[in-house]
Amino acid sequence: IAGITQAPTSQILAAGRRMTLRCTQDMRHNAMYWYRQDLGLGLRLIHYSNTAGTTGKGEVPDGYSVSRANTDDFPLTLASAVPSQTSVYFCASSIGVENTGELFFGEGSRLTVL
Amino acid sequence: GQNIDQPTEMTATEGAIVQINCTYQTSGFNGLFWYQQHAGEAPTFLSYNVLDGLEEKGRFSSFLSRSKGYSYLLLKELQMKDSASYLCAVMDSNYQLIWGAGTKLIIKP
Repeated sequence: IAGITQAPTSQILAAGRRMTLRCTQDMRHNAMYWYRQDLGLGLRLIHYSNTAGTTGKGEVPDGYSVSRANTDDFPLTLASAVPSQTSVYFCASSIGVENTGELFFGEGSRLTVL
Repeated sequence: GQNIDQPTEMTATEGAIVQINCTYQTSGFNGLFWYQQHAGEAPTFLSYNVLDGLEEKGRFSSFLSRSKGYSYLLLKELQMKDSASYLCAVMDSNYQLIWGAGTKLIIKP
């Protein structure tokens, strides 16, 4: 059982380049989330999706976009990367909106923008 | 604004007991959560409190006082593998999780 799979695990990217972080879950969870984690700060929500076909903005959505074409996949795209987007990105899922507190996380994608 | 406060770092001895505190100010309250995160790994769910009182789960217990905006995570019989960061999170009135910066727990032999 894989749970949540993120790719790539790590990436170094030149500023201005486009980058998509992939996230796939096999638990049939309705809700999915993208967080970024920076030293000294709590996890910050970028975008979320309560169910396939819907997405919403979190606390720090600028510079990022998401799509939710089906239940399993929730890719995060940086249209034109900037150094301030250097971070560890975690994808997470929960059974549904009613259970949004118990999240299952992927192993993270470490992104460095130069 | 919304705020979650927890100590940045704590040190404890193997076999001992440690209490990690969390205070919060949020727009509404729909539950408080504790997560464990080992270095370089993903956070994993530990506990959930929505009513006042103590929830016990093996060596770990979590306490909540909603009137005081306060919670703690109690770890007993500490083991070296408990060395990790412990994240406190509160679900606000919009069912969004607000996260603290985490407490790094260092266990010494």
